[in-house]
Amino acid sequence: GDSVTQMEGPVTLSEEAFLTINCTYTATGYPSLFWYVQYPGEGLQLLLKATKADDKGSNKGFEATYRKETTSFHLEKGSVQVSDSAVYFCALLSNDYKLSFGAGTTVTVRA
Amino acid sequence: DAGVIQSPRHEVTEMGQEVTLRCKPISGHDYLFWYRQTMMRGLELLIYFNNNVPIDDSGMPEDRFSAKMPNASFSTLKIQPSEPRDSAVYFCASSFGGAYYGYTFGSGTRLTVV
Repeated sequence: GDSVTQMEGPVTLSEEAFLTINCTYTATGYPSLFWYVQYPGEGLQLLLKATKADDKGSNKGFEATYRKETTSFHLEKGSVQVSDSAVYFCALLSNDYKLSFGAGTTVTVRA
Repeated sequence: DAGVIQSPRHEVTEMGQEVTLRCKPISGHDYLFWYRQTMMRGLELLIYFNNNVPIDDSGMPEDRFSAKMPNASFSTLKIQPSEPRDSAVYFCASSFGGAYYGYTFGSGTRLTVV
């Protein structure tokens, strides 16, 4: 079935460092891809999405490009802040209207 | 809009007791999803509804779990009887037109079964 695989954490960074979280997918057809973020004690929030190949999703300084040739949707941010500390989930939309989430990557940014 | 509202935020119950979790989706959303989150298994989709009708309940772990959506503004997830391995955070999420535009998640219910 359709699925996503994301890099395991935890990831610890210093403020202003560059962040990359890898995500690859397996799917039939052309799924939509998403990144969600979960702050401590809260539910998941949509961070960004891309619906077709070569689309770039962006929000709050984060970016991810839908790469069909490598079946990837890696999340990047050029300069992280302490407030970016959270768990990040890559997700794929199957044809049957439900999201499949990756295992999540915990990111901790230190001042 | 107040977002997706779940209650209670925390629930501690004894093994064997019935537990009912509640969810109020965003008004106008036609899809509702119940997820369970644990350290071991991550996020698991339990069941989802479209226009109050259950579409896919293949993720419901056992017959002890049941979910209902009697109207567009309310859904329940019931566990009877509860077991310690049911301890998890349960999330409700809603969307309009499926997940294409993104889900809106509630803050979750942390269930502890002792």
